[in-house]
Amino acid sequence: GAVVSQHPSRVICKSGTSVKIECRSLDFQATTMFWYRQFPKQSLMLMATSNEGSKATYEQGVEKDKFLINHASLTLSTLTVTSAHPEDSSFYICSARGGGAGDTQYFGPGTRLTVL
Amino acid sequence: TQLLEQSPQFLSIQEGENLTVYCNSSSVFSSLQWYRQEPGEGPVLLVTVVTGGEVKKLKRLTFQFGDARKDSSLHITAAQPGDTGLYLCAGDPNTGRRALTFGSGTRLQVQP
Repeated sequence: GAVVSQHPSRVICKSGTSVKIECRSLDFQATTMFWYRQFPKQSLMLMATSNEGSKATYEQGVEKDKFLINHASLTLSTLTVTSAHPEDSSFYICSARGGGAGDTQYFGPGTRLTVL
Repeated sequence: TQLLEQSPQFLSIQEGENLTVYCNSSSVFSSLQWYRQEPGEGPVLLVTVVTGGEVKKLKRLTFQFGDARKDSSLHITAAQPGDTGLYLCAGDPNTGRRALTFGSGTRLQVQP
């Protein structure tokens, strides 16, 4: 199956700093990428949808100025958590989908963010 | 908003037992996917069902898509400790958003 990578896999930062997470589709062109957040023992919560070359669409309640998303190419999307606080600590997962309506959505391995 | 309800939320069974996980919605989905997720990792796709009434088998796992494409089930036969994990169903609403709707998840623990 298709491979989606995320970097870094784990990051620890101080409160107030910004953290960038990369999501790459390694063997297919992802016209759409999604960013999810997952709290312990819970399901995935969609944060935003990004299409290559256009602005991301954020879900209700997600601050677009805090979670900056850039989808600069068909294989790369980045999520920047700006001025991170301890409550932003979570497991962030990206997924990527190709161009067809029936294309499968493949998930990255996730990034564990801990804000001290 | 299209919602997917998954049940049970948590299941602890002994090795060798059978189990069924349900995924229900009042909405129609063009397809439905089942994922398995282990702690600290991303979800891994198990199967995609597309046709109403479709049944797919993956070794000891049997997946079924409801005739009306509103619900699905996952049946595991003779569960093993290696089946332990979080099972997630996700429906494709086939709208312009292209985002999957996820169920709340079923945490399965198989005791040896």
